[in-house]
Amino acid sequence: GIQVEQSPPDLILQEGANSTLRCNFSDSVNNLQWFHQNPWGQLINLFYIPSGTKQNGRLSATTVATERYSLLYISSSQTTDSGVYFCAVVSIGGNTPLVFGKGTRLSVIA
Amino acid sequence: GAVVSQHPSWVICKSGTSVKIECRSLDFQATTMFWYRQFPKQSLMLMATSNEGSKATYEQGVEKDKFLINHASLTLSTLTVTSAHPEDSSFYICSATAQGVGGELFFGEGSRLTVL
Repeated sequence: GIQVEQSPPDLILQEGANSTLRCNFSDSVNNLQWFHQNPWGQLINLFYIPSGTKQNGRLSATTVATERYSLLYISSSQTTDSGVYFCAVVSIGGNTPLVFGKGTRLSVIA
Repeated sequence: GAVVSQHPSWVICKSGTSVKIECRSLDFQATTMFWYRQFPKQSLMLMATSNEGSKATYEQGVEKDKFLINHASLTLSTLTVTSAHPEDSSFYICSATAQGVGGELFFGEGSRLTVL
């Protein structure tokens, strides 16, 4: 099955700093989503981005489908950005549901 | 975005009892729902896929007789953990899509099960 690798596994930032999270995947995809899991466990949809670039406030994401990677940018980080960021994909032509990476655990300190 | 609601958020039960978790799509019809399980500090692992009106498809290693899934309508799927044991303690989270495999998934709030 498709493999999803996220980096870095852990990240500590000072409030106000910028960061880039990476997601590599091993096969072509027709769905790629980024999620933020908050301390209570809820998964918040950030982006549905199988290709291209999207922006939402301080967050933006880019997926280069031909090179099988996606990037999540967080600018001017805030303590509320802390949590785990997951990338998840569905491979093209497969009937497999969303497969998750292991996540990036982000801690933003004041 | 679409809203998926899960209930209960927390449940504590005695070993040997059964627990039912409900997952509802509130503002869309979910042709497909998925159930995931997450252990502490780990990623989400797919347990099963359910389509309305048909039997669920379970992932390898998931006991279908222990984790009963019913997708009786386009807005409701239930997961019943039968004869629960402490090793079943985990965070269970459902997701739903109106667009079938490949469509954007929306997740419920999750249910934290503790079996004593």
